[in-house]
Amino acid sequence: AQSVTQLDSQVPVFEEAPVELRCNYSSSVSVYLFWYVQYPNQGLQLLLKYLSGSTLVKGINGFEAEFNKSQTSFHVRKPSVHISDTAEYFCAVSAGGYQKVTFGTGTKLQVIP
Amino acid sequence: DTAVSQTPKYLVTQMGNDKSIKCEQNLGHDTMYWYKQDSKKFLKIMFSYNNKELIINETVPNRFSPKSPDKAHLNLHINSLELGDSAVYFCASSQNQGFTEAFFGQGTRLTVV
Repeated sequence: AQSVTQLDSQVPVFEEAPVELRCNYSSSVSVYLFWYVQYPNQGLQLLLKYLSGSTLVKGINGFEAEFNKSQTSFHVRKPSVHISDTAEYFCAVSAGGYQKVTFGTGTKLQVIP
Repeated sequence: DTAVSQTPKYLVTQMGNDKSIKCEQNLGHDTMYWYKQDSKKFLKIMFSYNNKELIINETVPNRFSPKSPDKAHLNLHINSLELGDSAVYFCASSQNQGFTEAFFGQGTRLTVV
């Protein structure tokens, strides 16, 4: 079985400040890891993903994440946030070869002007 | 040109009614999904189809019946709607069974009154 834990339900941050959204996972097999972003009243959009290879992955809108196998984490960061980054962010894990994806409970990023 | 489109976007209906939500993808993907997002933003997979065949069927009441007439379409029919069915339903698709990346529709907000 696989699971995902997003440690913060809400993260308020001032505009132009850095931010890190945390995600930990558990799985008995190798995994694919994802971050999705959901803007208000919108569907989910892929922010970035880790499938294999380099543990540092870059995504859209200046976000990047690092896969840390020993810590079973996949935290996402941005050095300077904008108002437009205000959204809900979901971490997700998929055990390789299966379609079933488990999503975390989401982190609401609130960028304060 | 919308990749994954769902109709309707909003659906308000009375308890006991039967309703359908339609989903179409023009990405040429083999796998399609239905997810339910509750009022706390928790996302849970309901069904997954690969090339019109049911792959994943989570513990969903049998009032919910997916139908895939071809691999570009996955519709969701709900019988005898209950208040607890109120949620946002997302359709998604991915290229293959490995869920290396999923594309989501805009969601259908179902309100049962």
